[in-house]
Amino acid sequence: DADVTQTPRNRITKTGKRIMLECSQTKGHDRMYWYRQDPGLGLRLIYYSFDVKDINKGEISDGYSVSRQAQAKFSLSLESAIPNQTALYFCATSDSKDARNEKLFFGSGTQLSVL
Amino acid sequence: SQKIEQNSEALNIQEGKTATLTCNYTNYSPAYLQWYRQDPGRGPVFLLLIRENEKEKRKERLKVTFDTTLKQSLFHITASQPADSATYLCAREGGGNKLTFGTGTQLKVEL
Repeated sequence: DADVTQTPRNRITKTGKRIMLECSQTKGHDRMYWYRQDPGLGLRLIYYSFDVKDINKGEISDGYSVSRQAQAKFSLSLESAIPNQTALYFCATSDSKDARNEKLFFGSGTQLSVL
Repeated sequence: SQKIEQNSEALNIQEGKTATLTCNYTNYSPAYLQWYRQDPGRGPVFLLLIRENEKEKRKERLKVTFDTTLKQSLFHITASQPADSATYLCAREGGGNKLTFGTGTQLKVEL
């Protein structure tokens, strides 16, 4: 079983629709992240959370919101989807107890297409 | 802002040769750099971390260097195999326990 699970794997939606991407992890990590990946732009951080009650904006948070429902769950919402939010979205986790070697563990991604 | 630059052109090499990928950064030297491998349709997978005070780090056929004078990290795969074909991402520590990623370099190892 995957340690970091993202659902759905693929989603096609229409402009203006609200959509939620979900992430759950069994690694017991306290830190969770949402990234988007676009060709030629690399991975860009949308939001991150270092604990259940902690939510922080990344470099491209406009148009997105998140919810950390539990240590193991971190969801990303697009309140009103627009075509330029078409991208590959990744959830990732890390362990603050391993701060000096803080590496990220990624899910398999959600390919989102907004028409 | 802290930037990471990787060669966007794909690197094609012959099986058995050493592949060398380059990562350049701007501004201050990060406390560490990380390298990830990404296969099509999959999430990146962590490979190696090298700290500012380490010049070189090795793991099996992989070697990473960190040159704070050149503001550069080199990633080497020796005795490359077709299974090494993937996109390799460099990431720098960017403050606040966050990583800034490069766009990645695609490596193709041909028979």
